[in-house]
Amino acid sequence: NAGVMQNPRHLVRRRGQEARLRCSPMKGHSHVYWYRQLPEEGLKFMVYLQKENIIDESGMPKERFSAEFPKEGPSILRIQQVVRGDSAAYFCASSIQGGETQYFGPGTRLLVL
Amino acid sequence: AQRVTQPEKLLSVFKGAPVELKCNYSYSGSPELFWYVQYSRQRLQLLLRHISRESIKGFTADLNKGETSFHLKKPFAQEEDSAMYYCALGSRGFQKLVFGTGTRLLVSP
Repeated sequence: NAGVMQNPRHLVRRRGQEARLRCSPMKGHSHVYWYRQLPEEGLKFMVYLQKENIIDESGMPKERFSAEFPKEGPSILRIQQVVRGDSAAYFCASSIQGGETQYFGPGTRLLVL
Repeated sequence: AQRVTQPEKLLSVFKGAPVELKCNYSYSGSPELFWYVQYSRQRLQLLLRHISRESIKGFTADLNKGETSFHLKKPFAQEEDSAMYYCALGSRGFQKLVFGTGTRLLVSP
């Protein structure tokens, strides 16, 4: 089992561009979580998804951020019109079901110039 | 509001010394608590989950509801324990985790 996969591992964008971060959960896992880690801070919950459903997006910024987990393919976290404050590490985790142990991916480090 | 506090950014000890990484939480419900570890250049991985009451790599953690704490302990630190340690609180049916800011443990020879 390859574990949770995230790509790209590093992403550089200029202000105003779009960033797309991908997360493939562990085999057999249908629950995905996205977290963001700003410098010198802990991981902060953004969104929890199951296949084709957003279950909890209470941590998502109201604008420019969206997430999906389609029936086929990876989960995508999309940030439109990026700003410098979006520079952070974005971690994805998956679990076999809600309430079970979350397994983390290696993260995507986004740098906005 | 759910909150996790790890008061120490850095804990530096010598090999063989006891280690205690502090974690305090704030949560009105019944907490589910975790310790995650991140070794250099590796992903975050689960170290302990309080309900399992296991000892992993010699580490233990006891949930103290009276003091709202979940400190991580090891009697004799090893150099390979050097890593970043995060305490996390499960809330809302454990569907999301609230993390502390982490403590970097440095074990010197």
